[in-house]
Amino acid sequence: GAVVSQHPSWVICKSGTSVKIECRSLDFQATTMFWYRQFPKQSLMLMATSNEGSKATYEQGVEKDKFLINHASLTLSTLTVTSAHPEDSSFYICSARGPASYEQYFGPGTRLTVT
Amino acid sequence: AQSVSQHNHHVILSEAASLELGCNYSYGGTVNLFWYVQYPGQHLQLLLKYFSGDPLVKGIKGFEAEFIKSKFSFNLRKPSVQWSDTAEYFCAVIPPWGGNTPLVFGKGTRLSVIA
Repeated sequence: GAVVSQHPSWVICKSGTSVKIECRSLDFQATTMFWYRQFPKQSLMLMATSNEGSKATYEQGVEKDKFLINHASLTLSTLTVTSAHPEDSSFYICSARGPASYEQYFGPGTRLTVT
Repeated sequence: AQSVSQHNHHVILSEAASLELGCNYSYGGTVNLFWYVQYPGQHLQLLLKYFSGDPLVKGIKGFEAEFIKSKFSFNLRKPSVQWSDTAEYFCAVIPPWGGNTPLVFGKGTRLSVIA
């Protein structure tokens, strides 16, 4: 089956610093990648949709200058949380979709803690 | 607003009891439907999906779901739950908007199975 990896799985950073999270599709080409955020005991909230080689489309209320998304290749998308603050602490999950399927394959998630 | 609704926030069952988790969506037209499971500390896993055809869909680990178009429902069922089924269950829908429309998730139902 299709595999999506995320790195790191867990990161702690100080307030004001930036953190980059990588999402890779290991055995398929991901024409579209999605970034979700999950607060404890809550559902997944879509942050943005990115297509390879083009700018990401952000959901209402998501600051594009704070959550920088780059989808430079068909197997890699990155989410950079800039000038992180404690309220950005959350579980970030990426998901990838291939060119010929509606299915989304999910990464294992990255737990970000901002101190 | 168009959405995905999961009626039960937390369900507690004894082992061997039967399970039914409700899911309703409010989109018109053709939708694609999914159930995901998230075990404690783990990432999302696909339980089953419906795209077309037989409205009774069988998934992994003995789960099944029935698509009832007239009721806009896609309820998840299992005849006999086990302690290992303790997890968070998410219903998700791809709305009928075409293109790279992402999954829209319900708020999730926590299932606790007790001995």
